[in-house]
Amino acid sequence: GQNIDQPTEMTATEGAIVQINCTYQTSGFNGLFWYQQHAGEAPTFLSYNVLDGLEEKGRFSSFLSRSKGYSYLLLKELQMKDSASYLCAPMDSNYQLIWGAGTKLIIKP
Amino acid sequence: DAGITQSPRHKVTETGTPVTLRCHQTENHRYMYWYRQDPGHGLRLIHYSYGVKDTDKGEVSDGYSVSRSKTEDFLLTLESATSSQTSVYFCAISESDPGSYNEQFFGPGTRLTVL
Repeated sequence: GQNIDQPTEMTATEGAIVQINCTYQTSGFNGLFWYQQHAGEAPTFLSYNVLDGLEEKGRFSSFLSRSKGYSYLLLKELQMKDSASYLCAPMDSNYQLIWGAGTKLIIKP
Repeated sequence: DAGITQSPRHKVTETGTPVTLRCHQTENHRYMYWYRQDPGHGLRLIHYSYGVKDTDKGEVSDGYSVSRSKTEDFLLTLESATSSQTSVYFCAISESDPGSYNEQFFGPGTRLTVL
Protein backbone atom coordinates (compact mmCIF):
# COMPACT_ATOMS: atom_id res chain seq x y z
CA GLY A 1 0.00 0.00 0.00
CA GLN A 2 0.90 3.65 -0.12
CA ASN A 3 1.92 5.38 3.08
CA ILE A 4 3.18 8.79 4.14
CA ASP A 5 4.62 9.40 7.60
CA GLN A 6 5.15 12.86 9.08
CA PRO A 7 5.22 14.04 12.70
CA THR A 8 1.82 15.27 13.79
CA GLU A 9 3.04 18.40 15.54
CA MET A 10 6.29 20.28 16.15
CA THR A 11 7.14 23.36 18.18
CA ALA A 12 9.98 25.78 17.48
CA THR A 13 11.13 29.23 18.55
CA GLU A 14 10.99 32.39 16.47
CA GLY A 15 14.32 32.94 14.71
CA ALA A 16 15.38 29.30 14.99
CA ILE A 17 15.64 26.50 12.40
CA VAL A 18 13.30 23.53 12.15
CA GLN A 19 13.39 20.37 10.03
CA ILE A 20 10.17 18.55 9.17
CA ASN A 21 10.71 14.97 8.06
CA CYS A 22 8.61 12.87 5.72
CA THR A 23 9.02 9.20 4.86
CA TYR A 24 6.98 7.65 2.11
CA GLN A 25 6.14 4.40 0.38
CA THR A 26 4.39 4.75 -2.94
CA SER A 27 3.68 2.68 -6.02
CA GLY A 28 6.25 4.28 -8.26
CA PHE A 29 7.63 7.77 -7.74
CA ASN A 30 7.51 10.90 -9.86
CA GLY A 31 8.65 13.61 -7.50
CA LEU A 32 7.60 15.01 -4.15
CA PHE A 33 5.80 18.22 -3.25
CA TRP A 34 5.68 20.25 -0.05
CA TYR A 35 2.72 22.52 0.61
CA GLN A 36 1.98 24.98 3.39
CA GLN A 37 -1.52 25.30 4.83
CA HIS A 38 -2.53 27.97 7.33
CA ALA A 39 -5.49 27.13 9.54
CA GLY A 40 -8.78 27.55 7.68
CA GLU A 41 -7.06 28.23 4.37
CA ALA A 42 -6.14 26.35 1.22
CA PRO A 43 -2.77 24.61 0.75
CA THR A 44 -0.18 26.61 -1.16
CA PHE A 45 2.85 25.24 -3.02
CA LEU A 46 6.28 25.46 -1.41
CA SER A 47 8.63 23.12 -3.27
CA TYR A 48 9.06 20.22 -5.65
CA ASN A 49 11.90 17.67 -5.72
CA VAL A 50 12.35 14.97 -8.31
CA LEU A 51 16.12 14.38 -8.07
CA ASP A 52 18.12 13.56 -4.97
CA GLY A 53 19.58 16.48 -3.11
CA LEU A 54 18.73 19.83 -1.64
CA GLU A 55 16.65 22.53 -3.30
CA GLU A 56 16.95 25.95 -1.68
CA LYS A 57 14.37 28.69 -2.00
CA GLY A 58 14.93 31.62 0.31
CA ARG A 59 14.32 30.63 3.93
CA PHE A 60 12.89 27.27 2.87
CA SER A 61 14.84 24.27 1.58
CA SER A 62 13.68 20.79 0.67
CA PHE A 63 15.74 17.61 0.50
CA LEU A 64 15.03 14.30 -1.20
CA SER A 65 16.56 10.83 -1.01
CA ARG A 66 14.71 8.53 -3.37
CA SER A 67 16.59 5.40 -2.29
CA LYS A 68 15.54 5.98 1.33
CA GLY A 69 12.00 7.16 0.59
CA TYR A 70 12.76 10.26 2.62
CA SER A 71 12.35 13.99 2.35
CA TYR A 72 12.61 16.93 4.70
CA LEU A 73 11.61 20.55 4.67
CA LEU A 74 14.02 22.94 6.39
CA LEU A 75 12.75 26.30 7.56
CA LYS A 76 15.31 28.90 8.65
CA GLU A 77 14.94 32.19 10.54
CA LEU A 78 11.49 31.19 11.68
CA GLN A 79 8.82 33.85 11.77
CA MET A 80 5.46 33.79 13.55
CA LYS A 81 3.73 33.66 10.16
CA ASP A 82 5.37 30.26 9.56
CA SER A 83 2.93 28.76 12.06
CA ALA A 84 0.98 26.44 9.77
CA SER A 85 0.64 22.83 8.69
CA TYR A 86 3.18 21.45 6.24
CA LEU A 87 1.99 18.76 3.86
CA CYS A 88 4.26 16.21 2.21
CA ALA A 89 2.92 14.76 -1.04
CA PRO A 90 4.83 12.32 -3.23
CA MET A 91 3.53 11.62 -6.72
CA ASP A 92 2.96 7.97 -7.59
CA SER A 93 3.35 6.06 -10.85
CA ASN A 94 -0.06 7.36 -12.04
CA TYR A 95 1.08 10.95 -11.37
CA GLN A 96 -1.42 11.25 -8.53
CA LEU A 97 -0.39 13.09 -5.37
CA ILE A 98 -0.51 10.98 -2.21
CA TRP A 99 -0.96 13.36 0.71
CA GLY A 100 0.37 13.01 4.23
CA ALA A 101 -1.80 14.17 7.13
CA GLY A 102 0.53 17.11 7.63
CA THR A 103 2.77 18.45 10.38
CA LYS A 104 1.37 21.28 12.47
CA LEU A 105 4.21 23.69 13.24
CA ILE A 106 3.78 25.98 16.24
CA ILE A 107 6.15 28.94 16.51
CA LYS A 108 6.69 30.45 19.93
CA PRO A 109 8.15 33.93 20.58
CA ASP B 1 -2.88 33.77 -7.34
CA ALA B 2 -4.57 31.27 -9.61
CA GLY B 3 -8.17 32.22 -10.31
CA ILE B 4 -10.15 29.52 -8.58
CA THR B 5 -13.42 30.04 -6.76
CA GLN B 6 -15.66 27.60 -4.97
CA SER B 7 -19.33 27.94 -4.12
CA PRO B 8 -20.87 27.81 -1.68
CA ARG B 9 -18.14 28.44 0.90
CA HIS B 10 -20.24 27.04 3.71
CA LYS B 11 -23.25 24.75 3.63
CA VAL B 12 -25.34 22.92 6.21
CA THR B 13 -27.66 20.25 4.92
CA GLU B 14 -29.63 17.26 6.14
CA THR B 15 -28.94 13.58 5.66
CA GLY B 16 -30.42 12.22 2.46
CA THR B 17 -30.50 15.47 0.51
CA PRO B 18 -28.51 16.00 -2.70
CA VAL B 19 -25.78 18.63 -2.61
CA THR B 20 -23.79 20.18 -5.45
CA LEU B 21 -20.54 22.06 -4.99
CA ARG B 22 -19.12 24.18 -7.76
CA CYS B 23 -15.53 24.93 -8.71
CA HIS B 24 -14.84 27.66 -11.24
CA GLN B 25 -11.45 28.55 -12.73
CA THR B 26 -10.32 31.37 -14.99
CA GLU B 27 -6.89 29.89 -15.78
CA ASN B 28 -7.95 27.59 -18.63
CA HIS B 29 -6.10 24.72 -16.92
CA ARG B 30 -6.82 21.27 -18.25
CA TYR B 31 -6.83 19.30 -14.99
CA MET B 32 -9.30 19.80 -12.14
CA TYR B 33 -9.55 17.85 -8.90
CA TRP B 34 -11.90 17.46 -5.96
CA TYR B 35 -10.43 16.56 -2.57
CA ARG B 36 -11.82 16.23 0.89
CA GLN B 37 -9.82 17.04 4.01
CA ASP B 38 -10.63 15.62 7.43
CA PRO B 39 -8.75 15.91 10.73
CA GLY B 40 -6.01 13.29 11.01
CA HIS B 41 -6.14 12.50 7.31
CA GLY B 42 -4.29 13.85 4.37
CA LEU B 43 -6.14 15.31 1.45
CA ARG B 44 -8.03 12.50 -0.24
CA LEU B 45 -8.85 12.57 -3.92
CA ILE B 46 -12.54 12.11 -4.76
CA HIS B 47 -12.62 12.60 -8.53
CA TYR B 48 -10.59 14.41 -11.12
CA SER B 49 -11.01 15.62 -14.66
CA TYR B 50 -8.49 15.76 -17.49
CA GLY B 51 -10.70 17.61 -19.94
CA VAL B 52 -14.29 18.51 -20.82
CA LYS B 53 -16.46 15.44 -20.19
CA ASP B 54 -13.37 13.43 -19.20
CA THR B 55 -13.40 12.39 -15.55
CA ASP B 56 -12.06 9.58 -13.42
CA LYS B 57 -12.43 8.28 -9.89
CA GLY B 58 -10.09 8.90 -6.99
CA GLU B 59 -9.58 6.87 -3.84
CA VAL B 60 -12.82 7.96 -2.08
CA SER B 61 -15.34 8.30 -4.90
CA ASP B 62 -18.24 6.30 -3.41
CA GLY B 63 -21.29 8.51 -2.88
CA TYR B 64 -19.95 11.27 -5.13
CA SER B 65 -20.35 12.10 -8.79
CA VAL B 66 -18.83 14.86 -10.93
CA SER B 67 -19.46 16.64 -14.18
CA ARG B 68 -17.41 18.93 -16.38
CA SER B 69 -19.33 20.41 -19.29
CA LYS B 70 -17.03 23.42 -19.69
CA THR B 71 -13.29 23.86 -19.17
CA GLU B 72 -13.86 26.36 -16.39
CA ASP B 73 -16.42 24.49 -14.27
CA PHE B 74 -16.16 21.25 -12.31
CA LEU B 75 -19.16 20.20 -10.24
CA LEU B 76 -19.17 17.75 -7.36
CA THR B 77 -22.50 16.16 -6.38
CA LEU B 78 -23.28 14.25 -3.24
CA GLU B 79 -26.20 12.19 -4.43
CA SER B 80 -27.65 11.56 -0.96
CA ALA B 81 -25.61 13.27 1.72
CA THR B 82 -24.55 11.32 4.81
CA SER B 83 -22.97 12.51 8.05
CA SER B 84 -19.69 10.83 7.02
CA GLN B 85 -19.47 13.34 4.18
CA THR B 86 -19.17 16.24 6.62
CA SER B 87 -15.81 17.65 5.60
CA VAL B 88 -13.91 20.49 3.99
CA TYR B 89 -13.88 20.12 0.23
CA PHE B 90 -11.10 21.60 -1.88
CA CYS B 91 -10.99 22.02 -5.61
CA ALA B 92 -7.58 22.15 -7.29
CA ILE B 93 -6.35 22.80 -10.82
CA SER B 94 -3.15 22.06 -12.70
CA GLU B 95 -1.94 22.91 -16.13
CA SER B 96 0.51 20.22 -17.07
CA ASP B 97 -0.01 16.77 -18.45
CA PRO B 98 1.02 13.88 -16.22
CA GLY B 99 4.66 13.11 -16.71
CA SER B 100 5.79 16.61 -16.09
CA TYR B 101 5.95 19.08 -13.23
CA ASN B 102 2.41 19.17 -12.00
CA GLU B 103 1.90 21.82 -9.32
CA GLN B 104 -1.68 22.03 -8.14
CA PHE B 105 -3.37 25.30 -7.19
CA PHE B 106 -6.17 25.13 -4.65
CA GLY B 107 -9.44 26.93 -4.27
CA PRO B 108 -10.50 28.41 -0.90
CA GLY B 109 -12.52 25.36 0.15
CA THR B 110 -16.14 24.59 1.01
CA ARG B 111 -17.06 23.60 4.55
CA LEU B 112 -19.97 21.13 4.38
CA THR B 113 -21.89 19.94 7.41
CA VAL B 114 -24.41 17.11 7.06
CA LEU B 115 -26.79 16.84 10.01
